[in-house]
Amino acid sequence: AQSVAQPEDQVNVAEGNPLTVKCTYSVSGNPYLFWYVQYPNRGLQFLLKYITGDNLVKGSYGFEAEFNKSQTSFHLKKPSALVSDSALYFCALYTGGFKTIFGAGTRLFVKA
Amino acid sequence: GAGVSQSPSNKVTEKGKDVELRCDPISGHTALYWYRQSLGQGLEFLIYFQGNSAPDKSGLPSDRFSAERTGGSVSTLTIQRTQQEDSAVYLCASSPLAGGGNEQFFGPGTRLTVL
Repeated sequence: AQSVAQPEDQVNVAEGNPLTVKCTYSVSGNPYLFWYVQYPNRGLQFLLKYITGDNLVKGSYGFEAEFNKSQTSFHLKKPSALVSDSALYFCALYTGGFKTIFGAGTRLFVKA
Repeated sequence: GAGVSQSPSNKVTEKGKDVELRCDPISGHTALYWYRQSLGQGLEFLIYFQGNSAPDKSGLPSDRFSAERTGGSVSTLTIQRTQQEDSAVYLCASSPLAGGGNEQFFGPGTRLTVL
């Protein structure tokens, strides 16, 4: 079965420190992987996606994600967190057809 | 430019009543999606439109849920005989390309509360 998991409900990090939000997936074919962010009272916004090619994908707002096929992971990273990065982050998986599967979300808190 | 808009932003209804939720996608976007977001849950796929047709309705939770899209633009999600478990945020997204695997542009959502 195809699935995506975000093993952490919440991640806390101090401003200026690096952050990682974890995502793992299970798929039989080649995955398309996405990260979206949801700020309070706003719709989800696209951050980045991996389809093929370079395993390190760069996206909006200084975020990047690393695709690791052997570990079936697609962790979101940022070298230096900002308080304004505090939001709900969703990992998503597309494997064909019309449906994209979203993870349950990880809430990121960045403390000043 | 204008993004995806949804109306109403909030809807409170009584159990057993019907509700209609509206989505205005970005102009020219072929694909349209409806999702449901419950507290503590991820996004639950409901239905996908390509133009006016819905090749994937697999996520609709029951026959009380239906959706249509007209003119390749506006979409309406209708929930009949609402139940308390229908309370959630309903999100609409559109994408310029048909099929999946593309960036989706989300609206702000409609928060539905069934009393």
